[in-house]
Amino acid sequence: DTGVSQNPRHKITKRGQNVTFRCDPISEHNRLYWYRQTLGQGPEFLTYFQNEAQLEKSRLLSDRFSAERPKGSFSTLEIQRTEQGDSAMYLCASSFGQGGDEKLFFGSGTQLSVL
Amino acid sequence: SQQGEEDPQALSIQEGENATMNCSYKTSINNLQWYRQNSGRGLVHLILIRSNEREKHSGRLRVTLDTSKKSSSLLITASRAADTASYFCASNSNSGYALNFGKGTSLLVTP
Repeated sequence: DTGVSQNPRHKITKRGQNVTFRCDPISEHNRLYWYRQTLGQGPEFLTYFQNEAQLEKSRLLSDRFSAERPKGSFSTLEIQRTEQGDSAMYLCASSFGQGGDEKLFFGSGTQLSVL
Repeated sequence: SQQGEEDPQALSIQEGENATMNCSYKTSINNLQWYRQNSGRGLVHLILIRSNEREKHSGRLRVTLDTSKKSSSLLITASRAADTASYFCASNSNSGYALNFGKGTSLLVTP
């Protein structure tokens, strides 16, 4: 399967714990995005990488959230001291392009439940 | 923040009918895209229309763009039960990298 892969598919954690999600983009894609989606809403942009550089972060991304993309390959999204409001689907997407017309390829997401 | 707003929020039709969804956005855009999402899954790209285009077709899909009204519409012709999904419009502003999505239209096509 050469699509975008996200692990784990589901994560249940207790409030205050740290969680880390992984995204493996399509191999030739230089751009990687993280989004968060809650029930009945559209995806909300969190952050964007071009190769290994994190070029844009949303104000939604509090200091409890950190994302990395070492060597411009896979990416991790860590949430520290989770809160119940962090419960959501976390979606990763990748694309290839140098302009602004590329389409995003999404993974199936990681569903986070904070108890 | 979410750039687009889809209308209606929910749409229920019978197989064979056409489905029309509308999207309004706030800032100047480079392009506008439509995505589809089945329940519990990631989004799948359907079609992209550039800011200098007015209409585009892909199979049973027809997209229009009116930059003067900051709006777009997605028409699905001869709908099928398998078209049941949520549909989102998305756009990136001239100043940002992020693709910003609307809240979506939930389409139900009954046999």
